[in-house]
Amino acid sequence: GAGVSQSPSNKVTEKGKDVELRCDPISGHTALYWYRQSLGQGLEFLIYFQGNSAPDKSGLPSDRFSAERTGGSVSTLTIQRTQQEDSAVYLCASSWSGEGNEQFFGPGTRLTVL
Amino acid sequence: SQQGEEDPQALSIQEGENATMNCSYKTSINNLQWYRQNSGRGLVHLILIRSNEREKHSGRLRVTLDTSKKSSSLLITASRAADTASYFCATRLYNQGGKLIFGQGTELSVKP
Repeated sequence: GAGVSQSPSNKVTEKGKDVELRCDPISGHTALYWYRQSLGQGLEFLIYFQGNSAPDKSGLPSDRFSAERTGGSVSTLTIQRTQQEDSAVYLCASSWSGEGNEQFFGPGTRLTVL
Repeated sequence: SQQGEEDPQALSIQEGENATMNCSYKTSINNLQWYRQNSGRGLVHLILIRSNEREKHSGRLRVTLDTSKKSSSLLITASRAADTASYFCATRLYNQGGKLIFGQGTELSVKP
């Protein structure tokens, strides 16, 4: 079946603009994760969804970042008033449950803030 | 700060040689996973080892886990040029949901 998909694959935006990144998990996967990868910080956890609820938002770096998940499927990560330090590859992953199973990653969205 | 630290940061070997990468972590884990990443994009899951396991094999991959030393190693035997990639260890902590905490990665280059 289809893997995790993310859109757009690349996004270039100007500082101060808002952006929305989309993740389509593997059908049936109840758990969904957002991570961010940048040169200086490596791979960082952002937020975890179980169904439509987000029991762990501890990795969101500021209140400019938010995420939602609807219908237990698609998730959107929104970054408001983007800053240059937000430039990174944003990776989404899904798994069968939140309990110790392997995570399947999407190809990522490369965000560049000018 | 990152839970895992990996060494070496970069490793260059010839095809046919074995490659060993090490990962150390700080706090008790539920499991430890190894992922591979090509060209800085999506990660591919390689192997998962639970905290009560000591060794696991998958094809040319062998992973060990020493919870007393809080360390793991990934061995790739008979390496191929196609194994060239970045390799990350990731830990899942107890009572932390499913989130993974990644190490900084080892960049492996296998020369034909």
